[in-house]
Amino acid sequence: DIQMTQSPSSLSASVGDRVTITCRASQTISNYLNWYRQKPGKAPKLLIYAASSLQSGVPSRFSGSGSGTDFTLTISSLQPEDFATYYCQQSYSTPYTFGQGTKLEIK
Amino acid sequence: QLQLHESGPGLVKPSETLSLTCTVSGDSVSSGTYYWAWIRQPPEKGLEWIGNIYYSGSTYYNPSLKSRVTISVDTSNNHVSLKLSSVTAADTAVYYCASWYSSGWYTNYFDPWGQGTLVTVSS
Repeated sequence: DIQMTQSPSSLSASVGDRVTITCRASQTISNYLNWYRQKPGKAPKLLIYAASSLQSGVPSRFSGSGSGTDFTLTISSLQPEDFATYYCQQSYSTPYTFGQGTKLEIK
Repeated sequence: QLQLHESGPGLVKPSETLSLTCTVSGDSVSSGTYYWAWIRQPPEKGLEWIGNIYYSGSTYYNPSLKSRVTISVDTSNNHVSLKLSSVTAADTAVYYCASWYSSGWYTNYFDPWGQGTLVTVSS
């Protein structure tokens, strides 16, 4: 199985801050990397697919980059609704696997 | 607009079979546009992919659960079903159904998801 490791596991920030979350795959996955945001008590929501493509309807403050084994999700200016948990997920091969999550909290 | 809704018992006894249904609206499960997936999340933990199914019946399961899982499609009712046998407390989780969209150029993802349903395994 491909292991996905996110860092940090938790992060404190303020509204308006720029934040970056990192995801590393245990083997190369090309650009087969997706990012999701999960608000408390809700289902995950797709933000970024294919490492850097913004899903329709997702605000442009979200961006993704990377290829191979190292990927980043950047939020350019945090909004109140962005305080949530973020997951990366590889779609390169089954079993599809997720990172352990990064919890973004208000400072 | 594609929507998914999970339903089923919220409490299952150890050693019994967990059975959930995902009702799909906004598209036919047999349209061929999507695969259909089940994913679970134990309380306060991360996400685990259970498996995918295509309308043709082709299935892909997580090896960690493969011996206990059956995913099926009911085209007459536009449902996707999950059965997980011989459950233990470790199977307590929120179970989500989701559509799996797959096309060229690295584009494979789960979207949208249902709201999820909590299943507790306890006697």
